[in-house]
Amino acid sequence: EVQLVESGGGLVKPGGSLRLSCTASGLTFSNAYMRWVRQAPGKGLEWIGRIQRKSDGGTTDYAAPVKGRFTISRDDSKNTLYLQMNGLRFDDTAVYYCATGYGPLDTWGQGALVTVSS
Amino acid sequence: DIQMTQSPSTLSASVGDRVMITCRASQIIDSWLAWYQQKPGKAPKLLISDASHLESGVPSRFRGSGSGAEFTLTISNLQPDDSATYYCQQYKSYLYTFGQGTKLEI
Repeated sequence: EVQLVESGGGLVKPGGSLRLSCTASGLTFSNAYMRWVRQAPGKGLEWIGRIQRKSDGGTTDYAAPVKGRFTISRDDSKNTLYLQMNGLRFDDTAVYYCATGYGPLDTWGQGALVTVSS
Repeated sequence: DIQMTQSPSTLSASVGDRVMITCRASQIIDSWLAWYQQKPGKAPKLLISDASHLESGVPSRFRGSGSGAEFTLTISNLQPDDSATYYCQQYKSYLYTFGQGTKLEI
C-alpha cells in the first residue's frame, strides 16, 4: 500500500520560514511524480507545485502565488519530498498535502497544518 | 492558467436521488480531467480520472462524462456516505488547477 506522511507543520510568524517533509512508502519513490497541494481553512484545493523525477530532469514548477518563495526538492535515497517555505504570509495558512500521480493524484498524505500568525 | 468552474457550489439531495455536478474549463482540455471526493478533515480521494475512468474500489454509482471543456459527475442512488465536497481538476496543463468545489448535503 502506498503511503505518504507529511511532517513539519506548525505556527510561524509572517516573514518566517518552515520546511515540510513528506515521507513515502510502498512505491518506488525515485519513479514517482510528486506534487504539493494546499487548502486554506474552509476553502478549496490549490495546486502549488511539482517536482519531476530525476530521470525526467528533476525540474520544478510552481503556482504564481508561491513562486520565488517556496522551493520543492526531493531526496530519493530517503524516499522524502520537501517543501521549503520562505517569506510566509498570512494567506499561506493552510493544510499542505503532498500527493503523487502523473495527472490525476491517486495518493495523498494526511496533510500538515501551517499557521502563519503574529 | 486554465480556469475550472464548478456548479453548483452547494447541492442538497435525498437518499436515493441522482445528482449532477458540472465542471467547465476555460479552454479545451480533451479528457484530462479528474474528480475527487473530500470529507471534512480528510485528504481528497480520487474517484475518476481521464474524465470517465472509475478508479478501483469506487462504486459504480459514480459516473464521469464529457470531453473538451465541459464535464459532468453524476452520482446515482445517493447514499448518506456520499455527503462530501467534490472537486474537479484538470491536468491538460502541468499547472494543475481545481474547481472551487461542490458541497453535497444529503
